[in-house]
Amino acid sequence: AQKITQTQPGMFVQEKEAVTLDCTYDTSDPSYGLFWYKQPSSGEMIFLIYQGSYDQQNATEGRYSLNFQKARKSANLVISASQLGDSAMYFCAMRPRTGTSYGKLTFGQGTILTVHP
Amino acid sequence: DSGVTQTPKHLITATGQRVTLRCSPRSGDLSVYWYQQSLDQGLQFLIQYYNGEERAKGNILERFSAQQFPDLHSELNLSSLELGDSALYFCASSVEPSGGRGSTDTQYFGPGTRLTVL
Repeated sequence: AQKITQTQPGMFVQEKEAVTLDCTYDTSDPSYGLFWYKQPSSGEMIFLIYQGSYDQQNATEGRYSLNFQKARKSANLVISASQLGDSAMYFCAMRPRTGTSYGKLTFGQGTILTVHP
Repeated sequence: DSGVTQTPKHLITATGQRVTLRCSPRSGDLSVYWYQQSLDQGLQFLIQYYNGEERAKGNILERFSAQQFPDLHSELNLSSLELGDSALYFCASSVEPSGGRGSTDTQYFGPGTRLTVL
């Protein structure tokens, strides 16, 4: 079984500063994918970034980067130069790449990020 | 806009009723997934279809069923509704569950259907 833990229910950051959202995971699958999604107050789920368990380099997508530490089973999201529009709920998710649960995304509890002007 | 469409956006109904939620995947995507988001349970995987066939099942109640049609759109049927079924229901789609190391097989989510059971 897979488990995702996000220990920060809420985070605050000043506009233009960087912020790190924590995510740890637990899995027995040898191969897996890690994802971050953003859910604004409007409710939609927006894909931000992906990291494969075999990827040697940390993923980056614009202002988003994923700090992947496989031995520690952590996949923290770093948002640089925060903007007011970054205020939202952020979910970390994991999916095994093999087995009968291949398609199943397991989500963490989420972290609410508030960006102050 | 993810390219995944869901209808209706909002649905208000009474206990004991039956509703159907509809999802159209992104063009070219063969897999469709259904998720339920509620305050007490968080985001939960319900079921996955790939090219018309059921591929994986999660915590889906027996009162719930789904199918994927030949044109790849999917419907989630919820029956004998209870107050606790009130939630945001998401559909997501991906290209295919290829599993290859180079594949991200990212799931792109629709806007969701907010179901309120009174």
